[in-house]
Amino acid sequence: ETGVTQSPTHLIKTRGQQVTLRCSSQSGHNTVSWYQQALGQGPQFIFQYYREEENGRGNFPPRFSGLQFPNYSSELNVNALELDDSALYLCASSLGSPNLSEQYFGPGTRLTVT
Amino acid sequence: DQQVKQNSPSLSVQEGRISILNCDYTNSMFDYFLWYKKYPAEGPTFLISISSIKDKNEDGRFTVFLNKSAKHLSLHIVPSQPGDSAVYFCAASTGNQFYFGTGTSLTVIP
Repeated sequence: ETGVTQSPTHLIKTRGQQVTLRCSSQSGHNTVSWYQQALGQGPQFIFQYYREEENGRGNFPPRFSGLQFPNYSSELNVNALELDDSALYLCASSLGSPNLSEQYFGPGTRLTVT
Repeated sequence: DQQVKQNSPSLSVQEGRISILNCDYTNSMFDYFLWYKKYPAEGPTFLISISSIKDKNEDGRFTVFLNKSAKHLSLHIVPSQPGDSAVYFCAASTGNQFYFGTGTSLTVIP
């Protein structure tokens, strides 16, 4: 059974650019959530996808968007990058009901915006 | 607004003693609470959870206590081991919204 994987591990982008981060869910999991963790903070919920549909969203602007694919892998897209978008981006997968809270996290993608 | 708060950024405990990590929340609609452990360069790992209909849940050395009237959650680790040294996050959920605290860095001294 493979765990949650994320790519790339690290990324450096320039303000105004766009970025796509990728996540492969743990085998059999159909729900994926994305989080932003700024330095010294806890993870902040961005949104969740359940069976390819967005199923909840935190307090993030529309330039943060996502996709979930039929194999339940997922992408996080951020447009018009700002310096404050620099953070660790975590995805987490879970099985079954979208309300199930036992999520399995990937190691994260460290995004630096200069 | 920070709906889940961990007011102690760090905690040091002697090996074998009890570690108590605390968490406070503001939203009375939260119905599920969790603790996660995080090692450097890894994602958070689920540790233990508790539903709002319970006041205690135990799993081996780990016990989570929930005081709904005080909106307070705590994690007890007994006995503490050096391998428990990590950052611990508490989290709360309502429906499919999830909120994490800022974390407490636990150091267990051999």
